[in-house]
Amino acid sequence: DAGVIQSPRHEVTEMGQEVTLRCKPISGHNSLFWYRQTMMRGLELLIYFNNNVPIDDSGMPEDRFSAKMPNASFSTLKIQPSEPRDSAVYFCASVPSLSSGNTIYFGEGSWLTVV
Amino acid sequence: SQQGEEDPQALSIQEGENATMNCSYKTSINNLQWYRQNSGRGLVHLILIRSNEREKHSGRLRVTLDTSKKSSSLLITASRAADTASYFCATGGFGNEKLTFGTGTRLTIIP
Repeated sequence: DAGVIQSPRHEVTEMGQEVTLRCKPISGHNSLFWYRQTMMRGLELLIYFNNNVPIDDSGMPEDRFSAKMPNASFSTLKIQPSEPRDSAVYFCASVPSLSSGNTIYFGEGSWLTVV
Repeated sequence: SQQGEEDPQALSIQEGENATMNCSYKTSINNLQWYRQNSGRGLVHLILIRSNEREKHSGRLRVTLDTSKKSSSLLITASRAADTASYFCATGGFGNEKLTFGTGTRLTIIP
């Protein structure tokens, strides 16, 4: 079975440009998470969706960040405009449901560098 | 903010030795999970221990949980070069939302 699929795997962009990261969760999984990983701050939860509805976006750092989940098989994380401090690895993850104890399945990450 | 804090931050041992990593957390939990991250890859689930369990085994992995001390340990026995990775603990409340990860332990196995 295919796991969580993220694209692009690597992106280098100039400051001020719009960045769109994409995620396809595992089929049948009802909940989707976006995490950001940096050396300084570790792994941070940005936002998560349940049944395509955003549940908690308190981890989204600024209004420059937005996330959507138009259907059960696709989500985007957009940064507009991007800044050098946004450079990080962005992970998408999914779970079958929000029941306690479910394993979270991570994608391979999108490595973003903003110059 | 980080819920879990792993200790040590980095650990280097010889192949064949046992590796022990610790995790401390702050609030009440329903379960605690350990994940592994190979360099340049996503996190992979290793094992989950529930709050009413004290020890759990999976292959060469042994996890303990002490809820009175709000701490957990991950033991990897007979380490192999392929065990080189970062290891994270993750704590969840009641429901999978807000599953928060610790800062991780970088484990290096020296062949």
